[in-house]
Amino acid sequence: GENVEQHPSTLSVQEGDSAVIKCTYSDSASNYFPWYKQELGKGPQLIIDIRSNVGEKKDQRIAVTLNKTAKHFSLHITETQPEDSAVYFCAASRNNDMRFGAGTRLTVKP
Amino acid sequence: GAVVSQHPSRVICKSGTSVKIECRSLDFQATTMFWYRQFPKQSLMLMATSNEGSKATYEQGVEKDKFLINHASLTLSTLTVTSAHPEDSSFYICSATGGGFVSGELFFGEGSRLTVL
Repeated sequence: GENVEQHPSTLSVQEGDSAVIKCTYSDSASNYFPWYKQELGKGPQLIIDIRSNVGEKKDQRIAVTLNKTAKHFSLHITETQPEDSAVYFCAASRNNDMRFGAGTRLTVKP
Repeated sequence: GAVVSQHPSRVICKSGTSVKIECRSLDFQATTMFWYRQFPKQSLMLMATSNEGSKATYEQGVEKDKFLINHASLTLSTLTVTSAHPEDSSFYICSATGGGFVSGELFFGEGSRLTVL
């Protein structure tokens, strides 16, 4: 089955700096790669996603890149703000079978 | 976007009792719903997949008689933790998808925190 690895497990940045979180997946048939933000005591919220026919996608301060050959994808957050502090999960999915990375706890220091 | 609601958000129960958690899709028909369990500082672990009108498919290691899942309608799935014990204390999250969405797109509930005393 699919195995998703996520790094780093914790990330601390200064407000205004960029943050990058990386994930790798094992199943080459996975075709949907969402990123979720989870705040304490809440369910995951989709922040951006990318499909296997696209290499990069951007939404304001958030961007995601996908390298299908290497089977890895990354989340980039620019101009970080304290409210970006949360746990971020990557996931890889095929036919609604979604597997999650272990999560990255991002702390943005004001 | 589509909205998925869970209830209750928090529940405390005594050991040995059963607890039911509801997951509702508010503005779409959820043909498939998923239940996850999340321990503190850990990722979401898929427990089971339920399709409306059929029996749930459980992940390896998840006791189907312990975690009863019902998906009797296109807008409601329930998870019942039977004879709960302290080790069942966890954050339970559901997600849902439907025929109108692109394959793979899931919508998550707010989660339900279960504490078994």
